[in-house]
Amino acid sequence: EAGVVQSPRYKIIEKKQPVAFWCNPISGHNTLYWYLQNLGQGPELLIRYENEEAVDDSQLPKDRFSAERLKGVDSTLKIQPAELGDSAVYLCASSFTGMADTQYFGPGTRLTVL
Amino acid sequence: GNSVTQMEGPVTLSEEAFLTINCTYTATGYPSLFWYVQYPGEGLQLLLKATKADDKGSNKGFEATYRKETTSFHLEKGSVQVSDSAVYFCALRVGGNEKLTFGTGTRLTIIP
Repeated sequence: EAGVVQSPRYKIIEKKQPVAFWCNPISGHNTLYWYLQNLGQGPELLIRYENEEAVDDSQLPKDRFSAERLKGVDSTLKIQPAELGDSAVYLCASSFTGMADTQYFGPGTRLTVL
Repeated sequence: GNSVTQMEGPVTLSEEAFLTINCTYTATGYPSLFWYVQYPGEGLQLLLKATKADDKGSNKGFEATYRKETTSFHLEKGSVQVSDSAVYFCALRVGGNEKLTFGTGTRLTIIP
């Protein structure tokens, strides 16, 4: 069974440019999470989806970050415009609904903003 | 609020040494506790978990016991291998909230 797929794995952009990350969760997983992992830190939740609905986006900086999960499967996280402080690893995870104890993580996208 | 405090690394051990990585937590409710592992170039993987006091989670020779009285969930392994080299994260989840709260991670390096 395929795991959580993320792309790209690495992205280097200049500040003020837009960037987007894509995530394909494990088949059948209705819950999808986006986490931010700064260097030397643990992951922090940005947003959680149940199917196509964002049910927890309280930690998402809405001035520059946006996310969508059309059709309740794949998801895209966007930053526009990117700032130097956005350099980090962006992790996607998924789980069955109500089974947050068993989240499966993708390999992440490492973003570098110059 | 909820938080996890982990033993700072990096930790370097010789093969077959005994491993302990300390983890303590603060939670507003009654949490489930987890250890995740991140091998080089890979995503986070659930290593073990415990959902109530005195439960012991175990996997791949690793163990951790949920100690409510000391609010701790220390990770142990009796004899580490080079393949155990990775970053280990302690985490919690409070019932009714799907969000995981992670510690800062401990980088473990095992030398032959």
